[in-house]
Amino acid sequence: GAGVSQSPRYKVAKRGQDVALRCDPISGHVSLFWYQQALGQGPEFLTYFQNEAQLDKSGLPSDRFFAERPEGSVSTLKIQRTQQEDSAVYLCASSLQSYTGELFFGEGSRLTVL
Amino acid sequence: AQKVTQAQTEISVVEKEDVTLDCVYETRDTTYYLFWYKQPPSGELVFLIRRNSFDEQNEISGRYSWNFQKSTSSFNFTITASQVVDSAVYFCALSETEYGNKLVFGAGTILRVKS
Repeated sequence: GAGVSQSPRYKVAKRGQDVALRCDPISGHVSLFWYQQALGQGPEFLTYFQNEAQLDKSGLPSDRFFAERPEGSVSTLKIQRTQQEDSAVYLCASSLQSYTGELFFGEGSRLTVL
Repeated sequence: AQKVTQAQTEISVVEKEDVTLDCVYETRDTTYYLFWYKQPPSGELVFLIRRNSFDEQNEISGRYSWNFQKSTSSFNFTITASQVVDSAVYFCALSETEYGNKLVFGAGTILRVKS
């Protein structure tokens, strides 16, 4: 497709389960970002990749959060032992270069932890 | 630390009214970038504009205009003759220059345009 694709769109997990969220960026886009958006709030930065290199993971809230982009295209955000406070929309964004200023966002994966 | 404040949580207007969304930012960087994004109900953030800190010229794009004032650290967004399709959440954001796209977002302003 032409845009950033995320799956699943909706995920309900029981507390303590592990989840994996997938992001398919726009083909050829070098930079990939993950953001977390809590209800009624603006997105908050989680982590950033340039190709396969994870250059910044300062926003990951705990060591239960892990992201990878092994071949420099598709990325997966994994959350282990989910907690209720992990409930949020997880947004993926990509851009052609890190300085173009225009991020293309996916529609997000809404995670609900019961 | 960088911070973006959007004091208006929600604004309701009637179609064809003009509306201004406020954005105030804090940063210690001398070079920075400011953005506005629109988030319709589908959830996907849509890029509207990017300005750098050295360019204080106001910008107009169709019914949209932006007023950047460094002296007051504000980057306000005006929609002229609003339409129902403008209903969305609007986010102002600021970037750290090391990675131009690592954005710090405000909390957003919900705009409701009624017919």
